[in-house]
Amino acid sequence: EPEVTQTPSHQVTQMGQEVILRCVPISNHLYFYWYRQILGQKVEFLVSFYNNEISEKSEIFDDQFSVERPDGSNFTLKIRSTKLEDSAMYFCASSDRQIFSPLHFGNGTRLTVT
Amino acid sequence: AQSVSQHNHHVILSEAASLELGCNYSYGGTVNLFWYVQYPGQHLQLLLKYFSGDPLVKGIKGFEAEFIKSKFSFNLRKPSVQWSDTAEYFCALLGGSQGNLIFGKGTKLSVKP
Repeated sequence: EPEVTQTPSHQVTQMGQEVILRCVPISNHLYFYWYRQILGQKVEFLVSFYNNEISEKSEIFDDQFSVERPDGSNFTLKIRSTKLEDSAMYFCASSDRQIFSPLHFGNGTRLTVT
Repeated sequence: AQSVSQHNHHVILSEAASLELGCNYSYGGTVNLFWYVQYPGQHLQLLLKYFSGDPLVKGIKGFEAEFIKSKFSFNLRKPSVQWSDTAEYFCALLGGSQGNLIFGKGTKLSVKP
């Protein structure tokens, strides 16, 4: 069964540094998402992406965050200047339709900001 | 405001015991509900989903869930759990038009062999 893959599995960075989290969605999927889960808290929606642009974003997704699909296969999340509170597990997901289609999640990238 | 509540943080059961995990939601629109499972070290996987029709939904691995509109609930059940069901279970609501899921905090299930 095709999978969503995320790299790296664990990223450690210093406060103020830029990080890029990478995701390879399932190849025929058209809708892409980023979610995050701070330890002990709920999985939270960050952003959805379709047709090379952001479809929807949450309040969490401020100017420090950006997403990109640079080459037709990768889907990246960039945090420009990381803060301690950005430490979380970040999940990428994709689906083949906008509605009535479950999201397929990657294994996540654990981001630790020190 | 849209929200999902899972009241059980950690459930511990012995093998063959019956399972029911609670999920309540708050949403004013058409309800689309999901249960995801996350086994240790693995990604979130879809267990089952409800969009419309029969409120009793059957999923993979013997799980089922019942949508009760009057109670705003979508509880997950399994008649007889196995050690391999040890995982964290997340209830989720499709909250927006663009596929953004609203998750509950999750319930950790530990099954003792």
